[in-house]
Amino acid sequence: GAVVSQHPSRVICKSGTSVKIECRSLDFQATTMFWYRQFPKQSLMLMATSNEGSKATYEQGVEKDKFLINHASLTLSTLTVTSAHPEDSSFYICSAVDLAAFFGQGTRLTVV
Amino acid sequence: GIQVEQSPPDLILQEGANSTLRCNFSDSVNNLQWFHQNPWGQLINLFYIPSGTKQNGRLSATTVATERYSLLYISSSQTTDSGVYFCAVAWHDNNNDMRFGAGTRLTVKP
Repeated sequence: GAVVSQHPSRVICKSGTSVKIECRSLDFQATTMFWYRQFPKQSLMLMATSNEGSKATYEQGVEKDKFLINHASLTLSTLTVTSAHPEDSSFYICSAVDLAAFFGQGTRLTVV
Repeated sequence: GIQVEQSPPDLILQEGANSTLRCNFSDSVNNLQWFHQNPWGQLINLFYIPSGTKQNGRLSATTVATERYSLLYISSSQTTDSGVYFCAVAWHDNNNDMRFGAGTRLTVKP
C-alpha cells in the first residue's frame, strides 16, 4: 500500500515555543491531507483538512491561528503548533488518501 | 455529520478464541476501513472494505452497506492481536476525510 511518513515521531518542547510536524506522501501525490488529534484512550478527531495550494479547512472548535497548516506541494503538508501550552500535549497524526486512507506514524507532542 | 458506533468497547479473550467486532454507521458511505492501532500509536490498515467481504489470514471483514454495518472477525486470536481496533468511514459528500468510531480495545491473554 501507499506510504505516508510523518516526522518527528516524538517531540518535547517548552511552553510558548512552536513545533512543526511534517507529513509526506512518499509514493503518491495528495492534493488533500488530513490532520487528526488523539488524546489518551480516545479516538482520533479530525482537526483540519490540508489543501494543496489553498487554505486549510478547520473543524469546528479548532483554532486556525494556533494550528497553522501549510500544504506547499503535492507530497508535503506541515502542521505548526504555535505558542504551545501543556494542554496542546497530544498525539497528532496525518493521513492522505490513495483510494484508501493511509496514516503517518504519528507525533507525540509533550509541552512542558 | 455521520455517526460511527463500535461495539463492544472492550473485549478480553483467551488466546485461541474467536471474536467479532461491529461497526454501525448512520449514513451511506463510500469508504470504510478497519485499523489496528499498535502500542506505539501507528494505525495499521487492515481492510479497505466499503462493501463485500475480504479475508487476510486470520482476519476477515464484511460490510453490508445497505444495512449500514461492518464486522471484523478475528479467528484463533494471539496475544499480538491486542490493541485498539478502529472503524473509520468517509461518505459521499465529504472530502474523503475519515471519521472514526470510538474503537474496541482488545486484550488477548496467554
